[in-house]
Amino acid sequence: TQLLEQSPQFLSIQEGENLTVYCNSSSVFSSLQWYRQEPGEGPVLLVTVVTGGEVKKLKRLTFQFGDARKDSSLHITAAQPGDTGLYLCAGVDDMRFGAGTRLTVKP
Amino acid sequence: GAVVSQHPSRVICKSGTSVKIECRSLDFQATTMFWYRQFPKQSLMLMATSNEGSKATYEQGVEKDKFLINHASLTLSTLTVTSAHPEDSSFYICSAIPGGGYEQYFGPGTRLTVT
Repeated sequence: TQLLEQSPQFLSIQEGENLTVYCNSSSVFSSLQWYRQEPGEGPVLLVTVVTGGEVKKLKRLTFQFGDARKDSSLHITAAQPGDTGLYLCAGVDDMRFGAGTRLTVKP
Repeated sequence: GAVVSQHPSRVICKSGTSVKIECRSLDFQATTMFWYRQFPKQSLMLMATSNEGSKATYEQGVEKDKFLINHASLTLSTLTVTSAHPEDSSFYICSAIPGGGYEQYFGPGTRLTVT
């Protein structure tokens, strides 16, 4: 089992601020996925990162996969209240999730 | 595309009864489906991997006789919680991977409350 650690566990910021959340493991992943989940709903896939060192952008969200494919980060620029949610990373190899980062963006 | 549905969305049952939850891939065929359980303010915990036409693979600590999984077709997997108890109350979520792919798509979840 490949364990994924996410940090921070909780994050509360003001609208307009930037933030970065992390997903780390001691194991190498063939690829990692990032999801966002809102209360009472299933997770929604944001991105899949596959290549070490890869950077993917999705509007104000920037995802990076570490060179060694053991870690990943998600950076949000100018956060908005609509970004509020639980951000989860998951390894494609075993479909297990990290504990998640619960983000709250205050207007 | 890649829509997964779950039914029911919410269910309340009495302790000792059984509840069946359906997971369907609406616009693709899924050889593999996954069942997760999520307690309040926690992450998703993988319960089992469901493969069409074969027995499900259960995670350590998940009772296969209590959580019966059937994946009878390429678009349908069911999870039956047998002899449910209040501690089984949780949010159950399924996901499916299109054949040949690796990205999983999640259903909207089923909120189970056992009284």
